[in-house]
Amino acid sequence: ETGVTQTPRHLVMGMTNKKSLKCEQHLGHNAMYWYKQSAKKPLELMFVYNFKEQTENNSVPSRFSPECPNSSHLFLHLHTLQPEDSALYLCASSQDGANTGELFFGEGSRLTVL
Amino acid sequence: DQQVKQNSPSLSVQEGRISILNCDYTNSMFDYFLWYKKYPAEGPTFLISISSIKDKNEDGRFTVFLNKSAKHLSLHIVPSQPGDSAVYFCAASEASGTYKYIFGTGTRLKVLA
Repeated sequence: ETGVTQTPRHLVMGMTNKKSLKCEQHLGHNAMYWYKQSAKKPLELMFVYNFKEQTENNSVPSRFSPECPNSSHLFLHLHTLQPEDSALYLCASSQDGANTGELFFGEGSRLTVL
Repeated sequence: DQQVKQNSPSLSVQEGRISILNCDYTNSMFDYFLWYKKYPAEGPTFLISISSIKDKNEDGRFTVFLNKSAKHLSLHIVPSQPGDSAVYFCAASEASGTYKYIFGTGTRLKVLA
């Protein structure tokens, strides 16, 4: 148990569907992240939020829309995805300004786009 | 272009021996480095970190070495145990503000009993 919870753990959706991934952290951290892990590729940083403000959008297509209503919750809204978007989506949190900067990851949401 | 590279996709080591996992980076602005371990169907878990002001950090069986001039770091696990079998990722960031870690592709370690 890392203190970062992601739901759902598995999601199958068609290309015309709209769905959302949810992340919640119970660590009192002030920064939250979305990473994407595709097969045989490094983890790719998608979005960073610091105190609810988006500080990084790593050239992510607009069919992925993040939302951070508060420092504990992070959503990734999915709309008209492509089969190549199938991947493991990982949420992480950290305490900005801390000496370590260690990321705490959730267990991931495995997305399959048909 | 990958800024963090783990050139060995897999490594097999006998139980009790040393495992050495390597990582190279290209961005000289990176000054904070992490190692993560990942089991199947789980998120990555933090192992050990090192900042650029050090060249070595040790935590139990795990030691990370940093060679800034070569832009190279390595993770040593000794003695290796079967439970260490997992995928290991290195990650690097500039230590300023929010940490935007760049990850390598990972090395799958298999420790043979």
